[in-house]
Amino acid sequence: GNSVTQMEGPVTLSEEAFLTINCTYTATGYPSLFWYVQYPGEGLQLLLKATKADDKGSNKGFEATYRKETTSFHLEKGSVQVSDSAVYFCALRGSGGGADGLTFGKGTHLIIQP
Amino acid sequence: DAGVIQSPRHEVTEMGQEVTLRCKLISGHNSLFWYRQTMMRGLELLIYFNNNVPIDDSGMPEDRFSAKMPNASFSTLKIQPSEPRDSAVYFCASRPGRPEKLFFGSGTQLSVL
Repeated sequence: GNSVTQMEGPVTLSEEAFLTINCTYTATGYPSLFWYVQYPGEGLQLLLKATKADDKGSNKGFEATYRKETTSFHLEKGSVQVSDSAVYFCALRGSGGGADGLTFGKGTHLIIQP
Repeated sequence: DAGVIQSPRHEVTEMGQEVTLRCKLISGHNSLFWYRQTMMRGLELLIYFNNNVPIDDSGMPEDRFSAKMPNASFSTLKIQPSEPRDSAVYFCASRPGRPEKLFFGSGTQLSVL
């Protein structure tokens, strides 16, 4: 079945540091890949997505590239801010029929210190 | 649009009591998903509906859990009887016919004592 593995947190960084949150996946076919962000007390929000190999999703300074050869979709940001503190979820949607729901990783808690 | 609306935001109850969580979809959305979030397991898909019809309930943990979608804009998730291990944040999400993006509610924090 489909699965998503992401690095465990919490990840603690100083403001303006470079961020990488690793995500790898297992799926058959050609899944779509997502990063969702959850701010304290809120539901998840879509941050970015990529639907085919070598696509790069980007939003709010965050980027992730769909790497089929390494089955990875690592999230990066060049200079983080305190407001980026949140939980980040990597997710996939399978390409097979009936796989309508997203499969999420366990989430990575990011803490940015001023 | 107000987005996906869940109620209550917080629920504290005693073991054995019935709990009902509510979700109002975004107008025009036709798919509805219930997720449970815990520290141990992360986000788990419990059940999803398409056009009011339950499509996959394989994530529902036990018979104590049931979900309904009586109309196109509203769903309930019921736990009867509740147990302390049901304590979690329960999220409802919806999406329009166009696939891919889910819109999440703010969640219901459930504590079963």
